[in-house]
Amino acid sequence: SYEVTQPPSVSVSPGQTARITCSGDALPQQYAYWYQQKSGQAPVLVIYKDSERPSGIPERFSASSSGTTVTLTITGVQAEDEAAYYCQSADITGSHVVFGGGTKLTVL
Amino acid sequence: QITLKESGPTLVKPTQTLTLTCSFSGFSLRTSGQGVGWIRQPPGKALEWLTVLYWDDDHRDSPSLKSRITITKDASKDQVVLTMTNMEPVDTGTYYCVHTSATSDDALDIWGQGTLVSVSS
Repeated sequence: SYEVTQPPSVSVSPGQTARITCSGDALPQQYAYWYQQKSGQAPVLVIYKDSERPSGIPERFSASSSGTTVTLTITGVQAEDEAAYYCQSADITGSHVVFGGGTKLTVL
Repeated sequence: QITLKESGPTLVKPTQTLTLTCSFSGFSLRTSGQGVGWIRQPPGKALEWLTVLYWDDDHRDSPSLKSRITITKDASKDQVVLTMTNMEPVDTGTYYCVHTSATSDDALDIWGQGTLVSVSS
């Protein structure tokens, strides 16, 4: 079955740049989406269609794609950004949708 | 403003069938491009795609759970119902109802608050 892979954890100090990767063989052909989930809350969409930011999401959230890897970048990390981040995409057919295992972002 | 709310039992016994209802507002499943789905999350673990139902009755199901899940809509009541058969303790987790649409390029742009379902005898 298809999988996308994320690192379990990333740690940065406030004001620094955090980068969270998501790898999968079908990522060149399928869009990636990113969700932020703070402790005890429902996930929130922060990036869609590889690099588009929904209204209301701060500009410090951005994303890019290169080959089989997509990267969520948070520039000037703030304490409130501490959360789990999930990548979502699909297999080459588009019919099998998957989430990555999630990356816990710790703001030191 | 789009909102979704899940309702259903908090506890089911092994082998029983789970039925969850998602009641939504702010859009209609009679409108082209709209979709409602279910995502679940075991305690302390990652999100898992279950299924999404679209306005035209097309749906995208998890291959591993396809034989156990059914999703239906009552567009007149603005509700979507998830049925999952043969529940096991590993199915314990928070079940989220989500909205998607062609205008958001199939992103899960709005989530319900989630409902915790425990499977135990």
